[in-house]
Amino acid sequence: AAGVIQSPRHLIKEKRETATLKCYPIPRHDTVYWYQQGPGQDPQFLISFYEKMQSDKGSIPDRFSAQQFSDYHSELNMSSLELGDSALYFCASSPDSLETQYFGPGTRLLVL
Amino acid sequence: AQTVTQSQPEMSVQEAETVTLSCTYDTSENNYYLFWYKQPPSRQMILVIRQEAYKQQNATENRFSVNFQKAAKSFSLKISDSQLGDTAMYFCAFMKPLYTGANSKLTFGKGITLSVRP
Repeated sequence: AAGVIQSPRHLIKEKRETATLKCYPIPRHDTVYWYQQGPGQDPQFLISFYEKMQSDKGSIPDRFSAQQFSDYHSELNMSSLELGDSALYFCASSPDSLETQYFGPGTRLLVL
Repeated sequence: AQTVTQSQPEMSVQEAETVTLSCTYDTSENNYYLFWYKQPPSRQMILVIRQEAYKQQNATENRFSVNFQKAAKSFSLKISDSQLGDTAMYFCAFMKPLYTGANSKLTFGKGITLSVRP
């Protein structure tokens, strides 16, 4: 079965640089969620989209922005990167009818 | 706001034995969903099991079952016939239904590290 695809899988950036993370949800899933998991921590919700509209917002820094496109893929844009942004970033998708979130493999971001 | 508590930071079990992982939560909602996710060393988040709060019957998925006590706000995971591949971090998570509008995000507990000994 098709799964959530995230790219890139690994990313190394310098402080103050920008990064773009991409997420391709499971086909026919119309809701996308972004989570950030720091080392040794539980995932923290950042933002979600339903039918290309932002549906909820969590503890996402103002330096971050995201959107969902017409083909339902989503991008998380991160600017002015800080050392503390080093984390594993998950994208999850769900079909409205099931209300269960399926996670992608994550993007490991390291800020030096 | 919802909170999820996993008070045991780590547990260990012998292969082929049974282990129970505990989780409690706090919410004022009547309808909601509870999940257990597994995160092996690869750090992939894998759905283990899901429970709807309106269902009295406990969910089961092969060797995995839950003990859902709504009044006590308790949601424990039982793993039977433990296998080496069950070694992972296990997260308990809460979610409000989408029909409530916003806040359909998952709220996770801190997780528990389970080690299966050969």
